[in-house]
Amino acid sequence: KAGVTQTPRYLIKTRGQQVTLSCSPISGHRSVSWYQQTPGQGLQFLFEYFSETQRNKGNFPGRFSGRQFSNSRSEMNVSTLELGDSALYLCASSYSGWEAYEQYFGPGTRLTVT
Amino acid sequence: QQQVKQSPQSLIVQKGGISIINCAYENTAFDYFPWYQQFPGKGPALLIAIRPDVSEKKEGRFTISFNKSAKQFSLHIMDSQPGDSATYFCAAGGANNLFFGTGTRLTVIP
Repeated sequence: KAGVTQTPRYLIKTRGQQVTLSCSPISGHRSVSWYQQTPGQGLQFLFEYFSETQRNKGNFPGRFSGRQFSNSRSEMNVSTLELGDSALYLCASSYSGWEAYEQYFGPGTRLTVT
Repeated sequence: QQQVKQSPQSLIVQKGGISIINCAYENTAFDYFPWYQQFPGKGPALLIAIRPDVSEKKEGRFTISFNKSAKQFSLHIMDSQPGDSATYFCAAGGANNLFFGTGTRLTVIP
């Protein structure tokens, strides 16, 4: 079974621009969570989607948004990029947020904001 | 407020030794405690996890010890190998989100 895939793997953007990252979960998984990983803050939860609905949200500004499609694929968008948004963005999928807690991570998208 | 505190930040162990990483959590509502292993350039990989109804779980060389009253849990890696050199993250939470520790960089010296 294929793992979680994320595209693109690397991205360089300029301050003020916006960016969209994509995540395809493991087949059959319906829950997708997004995390930001930085050396200083570690892994921080952004939001979680299940059946196209955002069920939980972390403590990030409104510039960070996401959505999930009917095939469970998910995208996250960051608008008006800031230098501090440079990070590894990870998505994780699980079969169901309520019934199975195990989350499986993708390789991440490395975003660099200049 | 840091929901999960992890220590040590880095750890160096001789091959064959025991690696021990500790975590403490705040929220008594947490009911899922996984450990993840991350190699450079890769996403975290689920290693082992425990629920609060058991005090210990063992899978191969990896053991989680859980102390509910102290709100602490730890990862023990027996017979540590150079291939275990990675960053280890503990996490705590529930079904919908996880709070991660800050990570422990483990180096196993041959």
